[in-house]
Amino acid sequence: ILNVEQSPQSLHVQEGDSTNFTCSFPSSNFYALHWYRWETAKSPEALFVMTLNGDEKKKGRISATLNTKEGYSYLYIKGSQPEDSATYLCAPLTGTASKLTFGTGTRLQVTL
Amino acid sequence: GAVVSQHPSRVICKSGTSVKIECRSLDFQATTMFWYRQFPKQSLMLMATSNEGSKATYEQGVEKDKFLINHASLTLSTLTVTSAHPEDSSFYICSASRPGEDTQYFGPGTRLTVL
Repeated sequence: ILNVEQSPQSLHVQEGDSTNFTCSFPSSNFYALHWYRWETAKSPEALFVMTLNGDEKKKGRISATLNTKEGYSYLYIKGSQPEDSATYLCAPLTGTASKLTFGTGTRLQVTL
Repeated sequence: GAVVSQHPSRVICKSGTSVKIECRSLDFQATTMFWYRQFPKQSLMLMATSNEGSKATYEQGVEKDKFLINHASLTLSTLTVTSAHPEDSSFYICSASRPGEDTQYFGPGTRLTVL
């Protein structure tokens, strides 16, 4: 079982703040890293799939970076809005097992 | 595109009864579907992977006779919790992937409470 850690566990920011959180995973046998956003009472939504070391992906105000050699990824949110409130999950995919292993997530709350 | 539905969203049942949860891909054909379980304050834990027309692959520690998975078509997979007990109370969520893709598209989940 892969050890996937996300920090912080929860985060409370004000509207307009920029924020970031971390996903750590074993670097061996790395194949891809998935980020999902999970709003309360909705389905988890795929944000990014990242595969290359140094990769950076962006979707609106949200971006993510990937370091496969040291086994971490950062997710950044610029100018947080209340609609960004959600739990953000990361899940690495290793080459040895074609399945996602999810972290416990970072729960973000953005208030006015 | 890539919408997955799950039914029911909530179910309460008595101990000893069986409960069936359906997972449907509404606008794509899903060759592979996944079933996860989430206990409070824990991560999504993969229970099994099912491929259309073949037997599901269960993760270590998941009893295949207790959690019956059927993937009879490219748009439907079902999870049946047999002889449910209070310790089976949990949040069950399915996902589906398109052929050749790793991205999983999730349903909204089912909250099971066993009394």
